[in-house]
Amino acid sequence: GAGVSQSPSNKVTEKGKDVELRCDPISGHTALYWYRQSLGQGLEFLIYFQGNSAPDKSGLPSDRFSAERTGGSVSTLTIQRTQQEDSAVYLCASSLGQGSNQPQHFGDGTRLSIL
Amino acid sequence: GNSVTQMEGPVTLSEEAFLTINCTYTATGYPSLFWYVQYPGEGLQLLLKATKADDKGSNKGFEATYRKETTSFHLEKGSVQVSDSAVYFCALGPMTNNDMRFGAGTRLTVKP
Repeated sequence: GAGVSQSPSNKVTEKGKDVELRCDPISGHTALYWYRQSLGQGLEFLIYFQGNSAPDKSGLPSDRFSAERTGGSVSTLTIQRTQQEDSAVYLCASSLGQGSNQPQHFGDGTRLSIL
Repeated sequence: GNSVTQMEGPVTLSEEAFLTINCTYTATGYPSLFWYVQYPGEGLQLLLKATKADDKGSNKGFEATYRKETTSFHLEKGSVQVSDSAVYFCALGPMTNNDMRFGAGTRLTVKP
């Protein structure tokens, strides 16, 4: 079956521009996560959605970052007024639900480069 | 806070060598532990997991045992192949604040 789909796969943009990254989770997965993977670093949690509950935004690094999830399915991560330090691979993952033993299934990521 | 410390890379081995990638964790409570693998040009994939102490996760010849007494979850494989070349991430959770904690990743290169 289809896995987690992310688009675009690569995005190059100028500093100061806004960008939108899209994630289409596995059908039926109620939990959706966004992570950031900077060069040489581990994965950094950004935000978590579970069903219709309010999202856990505790990992968002600044107010330039926001995310929404429409209809409990597709999610969009928006970065406003991009900075060079925002350059990273942004990974989306989904899982069947919240819980320590629910593995997350990852998309291939969006590689974001800020010039 | 909860964290994962993973062996630094890169690791370079010859084919059929024995592999160990160390992973230790700090956590309150009883998290699940995971190893994820990222092959070149691909997304992260779950390799194996263990949900409680003394559990052994295994997949594709890789094994890791959840050791509560040493707070470790070391990844091992008896005989690596060139196709095992990838970046391996140890992970913990998710815990009550919903985020999983990942190690920095260890790049493995296996040479023929």
